[in-house]
Amino acid sequence: NAGVTQTPKFRVLKTGQSMTLLCAQDMNHEYMYWYRQDPGMGLRLIHYSVGEGTTAKGEVPDGYNVSRLKKQNFLLGLESAAPSQTSVYFCASSYSTGATGEQYFGPGTRLTVT
Amino acid sequence: AQKVTQAQTEISVVEKEDVTLDCVYETRDTTYYLFWYKQPPSGELVFLIRRNSFDEQNEISGRYSWNFQKSTSSFNFTITASQVVDSAVYFCALSETTGFQKLVFGTGTRLLVSP
Repeated sequence: NAGVTQTPKFRVLKTGQSMTLLCAQDMNHEYMYWYRQDPGMGLRLIHYSVGEGTTAKGEVPDGYNVSRLKKQNFLLGLESAAPSQTSVYFCASSYSTGATGEQYFGPGTRLTVT
Repeated sequence: AQKVTQAQTEISVVEKEDVTLDCVYETRDTTYYLFWYKQPPSGELVFLIRRNSFDEQNEISGRYSWNFQKSTSSFNFTITASQVVDSAVYFCALSETTGFQKLVFGTGTRLLVSP
């Protein structure tokens, strides 16, 4: 039982390049989330999904897109990376909604955009 | 709008000292949930506790205890007899029960426990 896994763990991009971060969970959770963590700002929600085929914007969605084609996977895409997107990205999943459901986090992806 | 404030950016203690991490929250909901997460140096976030707004009883789990006071909108976390392994960043979070019920995190408190 791997829990929540993220690929890759580290990545360096040049401004304007694109990439996709993959999140996978094996707990059959309905809800999945993408956060970014920046120094002094805690975690901020980028996008989330309440089930396969559905996605919604979070607090800081600009510059990112997501897809949830399979229940166990949640992809985060950067179409044209910018230095402001240098951050640590965390994926999380939960069985129920955020209020009552504990969110399980992946190990994070450290992204640097030069 | 919901907000979580962790005013302590960093706390340094010596092993075996007790330490309290403060968390103050703002919400317009009457029903909400509060959380604490630990982020050790390895980077992964670890769930510690969830408390709903109707339950103001303090909770103790080993060396950890939580003090929830609705009157002051605080949900403080105390580690008794701290250990080096407690060194981590600790996040307090709030979730309302209307709308999507997203988690809003505080900015975290870095705890350094030295031997």
